[in-house]
Amino acid sequence: DIVMTQSPDSLAVSLGERATINCESSQSVLYSSNDKNYLAWYQQKPGQPPKLLIYWASTRESGVPDRFSGSGSGTDFTLTISSLQAEDVAVYYCQQYYSTPLTFGGGTKVEIK
Amino acid sequence: EVQLLESGGGLVQPGGSLRLSCAASGFTFSSYVMSWVRQAPGKGLEWVSAISTSGGATYYADSVKGRFTISRDNSKNTVSLQMNSLRAEDTAVYYCAPSRGSVTPKWVDYWGQGTLVTVSS
Repeated sequence: DIVMTQSPDSLAVSLGERATINCESSQSVLYSSNDKNYLAWYQQKPGQPPKLLIYWASTRESGVPDRFSGSGSGTDFTLTISSLQAEDVAVYYCQQYYSTPLTFGGGTKVEIK
Repeated sequence: EVQLLESGGGLVQPGGSLRLSCAASGFTFSSYVMSWVRQAPGKGLEWVSAISTSGGATYYADSVKGRFTISRDNSKNTVSLQMNSLRAEDTAVYYCAPSRGSVTPKWVDYWGQGTLVTVSS
């Protein structure tokens, strides 16, 4: 199974500042035949189900604000919130879909400083 | 508007059984691989099982293999999860989770509100 490790577990960022979340996979999730990274990011606000933010490591889902961006390749990935807003307080998860079982990172809680 | 209505959760004793169902609407159900993803209280997300668009391929997490069975009915836009030999560690909110693709699950496009399963004596 591919193990997904997120860091940090939590972070507090001032409004308008940048938030950076890291995700590392135990093996590469880059599929060489199509040069795509099989990695998605989700946001889960308190009391709500998760919401898809990004897939293919860097493709933003329709309707997701452009302050959210994904980057990375192979085994190391980053979700960046360029200017944190109050509504971004949530737990963020990465997920690999390179192989089953699908696996999620442990989550990163983002709060306002 | 996409709607995913999970049902069938509840309180069950260890060793018991439950059958979860998910009624989907607002998207082309037969074009999506369907998964179940669970979240234990205060914990992270765990993928449980998936079924291909035709129903011909099924996938399970090791933690539920041999105890859970996933199925789908494309004529009724429903997916089900039969859960047997339930354990305390199966306690979680269960989400039905569609993903694009035909055979293997990818990212989850939509999420419902989930249904809570509590396994306790």
